[in-house]
Amino acid sequence: RKEVEQDPGPFNVPEGATVAFNCTYSNSASQSFFWYRQDCRKEPKLLMSVYSSGNEDGRFTAQLNRASQYISLLIRDSKLSDSATYLCVVNTGNQFYFGTGTSLTVIP
Amino acid sequence: GVTQSPTHLIKTRGQQVTLRCSSQSGHNTVSWYQQALGQGPQFIFQYYREEENGRGNFPPRFSGLQFPNDSSELNVNALELDDSALYLCASSIQGTLNYGYTFGSGTRLTVV
Repeated sequence: RKEVEQDPGPFNVPEGATVAFNCTYSNSASQSFFWYRQDCRKEPKLLMSVYSSGNEDGRFTAQLNRASQYISLLIRDSKLSDSATYLCVVNTGNQFYFGTGTSLTVIP
Repeated sequence: GVTQSPTHLIKTRGQQVTLRCSSQSGHNTVSWYQQALGQGPQFIFQYYREEENGRGNFPPRFSGLQFPNDSSELNVNALELDDSALYLCASSIQGTLNYGYTFGSGTRLTVV
């Protein structure tokens, strides 16, 4: 079983839409959680950390449910510049485990 | 930030390759990842204080070094076609993984 599972998409949404990505992880001992953004042929960049209490950064909201081992990312009022692949990342021990990524295209 | 060289590389099957990484200033831990097309990055190994400090599911022909100035190398021997991927280096401070990683821009290796 994979450490981190994500729906690969692709998600094609119109500008202004709200879109949600989900991710599950297999190791209950995982310690910290992140969403990374990766543009085509570029390196992944940290978008935001994910906390059990939920956290928000502008149009982006991340949630963690430890009991269900589930992480989510909500993007409100999608912009064309949000088009990218979003990677769910889980830190277990001294390793980061990445999901395969969810592809988002925001359409004018 | 984290810098990697070269940015692109083409090698022939069976050859050996060395990829280089310079960590962000003050970071003492470096990790290497392989990202195949359409996949998430996969952990290769991590170095801390010049010693291997964790390894993913990669064969011994993947090896590394970390130098006292916190620069690092990834060496791959006997290259196979499936080694074609983006190789990412990430630096961090030991014990602060809760803050996430900073990645270099990667080396894109093509094996023909």
